[in-house]
Amino acid sequence: GAGVSQSPSNKVTEKGKDVELRCDPISGHTALYWYRQSLGQGLEFLIYFQGNSAPDKSGLPSDRFSAERTGGSVSTLTIQRTQQEDSAVYLCASSFNNNQPQHFGDGTRLSIL
Amino acid sequence: AQSVTQLGSHVSVSEGALVLLRCNYSSSVPPYLFWYVQYPNQGLQLLLKYTSAATLVKGINGFEAEFKKSETSFHLTKPSAHMSDAAEYFCAVSVDGANNLFFGTGTRLTVIP
Repeated sequence: GAGVSQSPSNKVTEKGKDVELRCDPISGHTALYWYRQSLGQGLEFLIYFQGNSAPDKSGLPSDRFSAERTGGSVSTLTIQRTQQEDSAVYLCASSFNNNQPQHFGDGTRLSIL
Repeated sequence: AQSVTQLGSHVSVSEGALVLLRCNYSSSVPPYLFWYVQYPNQGLQLLLKYTSAATLVKGINGFEAEFKKSETSFHLTKPSAHMSDAAEYFCAVSVDGANNLFFGTGTRLTVIP
């Protein structure tokens, strides 16, 4: 379909391993966002990309978290040396520009054993 | 700084009854306000948004919300609940359009047959 696509939909990994989460935004959308949704909590903003500008990384919880957006399209969120508290649903959203509503993917459910 | 408070993490209504989900915001400048719905194992879907036009905003699926500046509220309502409305609902605020969204912790709506 034409929506935001995230992969994998589920990821289970051992503590200490690195993980990569992928987001394919809607074609033509210049803005891309990553959020974390922990059990029983709201959405926590992680990082925001707008076009070719430097990303807003103000929401990243630690230096173990990083994200890239190659060619202004696909984005990868990387978590290094995963911890159990990283277990959450990671949601990606995109918008046509920063004044248009965000469209969300179905998320990646990450479980750290 | 801006924030959102959603009163009631769980709301139960009978099928056909009025749905009222409460949202109060805090913002130092005129806000943009949003309601999103999240069905199980899915991302967030925009229900409606307030962007300083009409104070009564109509959204999808029969939902509407009224912006009340004096009460700093943006409560979501629907006259008659359907079973398909069972989901989690998030209120969000922004001061600059659609990026930098601050989400509430969500309200889970249960519809009783």
